[in-house]
Amino acid sequence: DSGVTQTPKHLITATGQRVTLRCSPRSGDLSVYWYQQSLDQGLQFLIQYYNGEERAKGNILERFSAQQFPDLHSELNLSSLELGDSALYFCASSVSELSNSPLHFGNGTRLTVT
Amino acid sequence: AQSVTQLGSHVSVSEGALVLLRCNYSSSVPPYLFWYVQYPNQGLQLLLKYTTGATLVKGINGFEAEFKKSETSFHLTKPSAHMSDAAEYFCAVSDDTGGFKTIFGAGTRLFVKA
Repeated sequence: DSGVTQTPKHLITATGQRVTLRCSPRSGDLSVYWYQQSLDQGLQFLIQYYNGEERAKGNILERFSAQQFPDLHSELNLSSLELGDSALYFCASSVSELSNSPLHFGNGTRLTVT
Repeated sequence: AQSVTQLGSHVSVSEGALVLLRCNYSSSVPPYLFWYVQYPNQGLQLLLKYTTGATLVKGINGFEAEFKKSETSFHLTKPSAHMSDAAEYFCAVSDDTGGFKTIFGAGTRLFVKA
């Protein structure tokens, strides 16, 4: 058990809808990362937060947004969903924002857009 | 920008045989290198990491990797494969210029034959 909790585990929704994925980092970790895993794109970095502030942005679509709250949990909001957004979304956390800190991953949220 | 190339999307070995998973990286500055393992329906788990110091790094479950700067490689090995090693393995790179993000390779699925 990595200590990172993601909810829900599965989500099925229709095109055009909006969903929110939630992540609670490991106790003591201040940094949260979001990744998207799909068969054709692999594991793609979306965004990173450290202690409530955005630190790095990757291949995150404008339809997607995220935030980290004062209690350090994070939410990833996906809107105007398209079929191609179907993927496994992982949250990871690390103790610091430094690049040499290993990541601790949750078990992911599997999003299916129909 | 950093990048990671994993040679071979699938590798098959017999139980008891040597495991060799290949990873080459690109980074303009000294990199931090990681290997993660993903079992079905789970998130990624850290196997080992190289940050500085000794170039031969030992990880969990008998795995090790050697950082070779001249070859820009960080191949993962295990002397004797076990059935429980069947999983997907990801090589990852980050560095201090990458904006705190960790970039993952496409992954190598390891099959272990009895």
